Amino acid sequence: AQRVTQPEKLLSVFKGAPVELKCNYSYSGSPELFWYVQYSRQRLQLLLRHISRESIKGFTADLNKGETSFHLKKPFAQEEDSAMYYCALRVYSNYQLIWGAGTKLIIKP
Amino acid sequence: EPEVTQTPSHQVTQMGQEVILRCVPISNHLYFYWYRQILGQKVEFLVSFYNNEISEKSEIFDDQFSVERPDGSNFTLKIRSTKLEDSAMYFCASSQQGNTEAFFGQGTRLTVV
Repeated sequence: AQRVTQPEKLLSVFKGAPVELKCNYSYSGSPELFWYVQYSRQRLQLLLRHISRESIKGFTADLNKGETSFHLKKPFAQEEDSAMYYCALRVYSNYQLIWGAGTKLIIKP
Repeated sequence: EPEVTQTPSHQVTQMGQEVILRCVPISNHLYFYWYRQILGQKVEFLVSFYNNEISEKSEIFDDQFSVERPDGSNFTLKIRSTKLEDSAMYFCASSQQGNTEAFFGQGTRLTVV
């Protein structure tokens, strides 16, 4: 079955500390993975997709097929990173997104 | 920058009533989607729409649900007879192609009382 797991509902770190938001997936096909972010009172917006291998707002995520993971990392957290972060898997056959439960990231000053 | 627009932002309805949630996708996009998120739960796929027909729907999308693209700009989700458990945030999304970035609307919070 297709599934995305984000084990942490809440992650709280101090400004300047490293951040890692965990995401694991279960999918029999070739996965396409995304991180979406939702800032307070704003819409869901794409942060990263694994195929682009970009760094956006200092965040990176590497697809590890052996561990079936796509963890989101940032070396130095900033207060404006506080938001809800969702990991999602796109199903190749029908383009639907399978979502993790989300992790609320709080950056403390 | 073009955006997906959803109206209303909040809808309160009585159980058993019909509701229509409206979305205006980005104008050159061809694929349209509805997702929902019940409070405290995961975002769930409802339906995808392409070329004026449903391309995929989930188990949630039963006979009480329907989608329509009545004109060249709107994309609507209708719930015929709402139930308490339909209370959720409903997100519309669109993408240029199926395998390109999906852009999301702000969501409509539906409360069934």
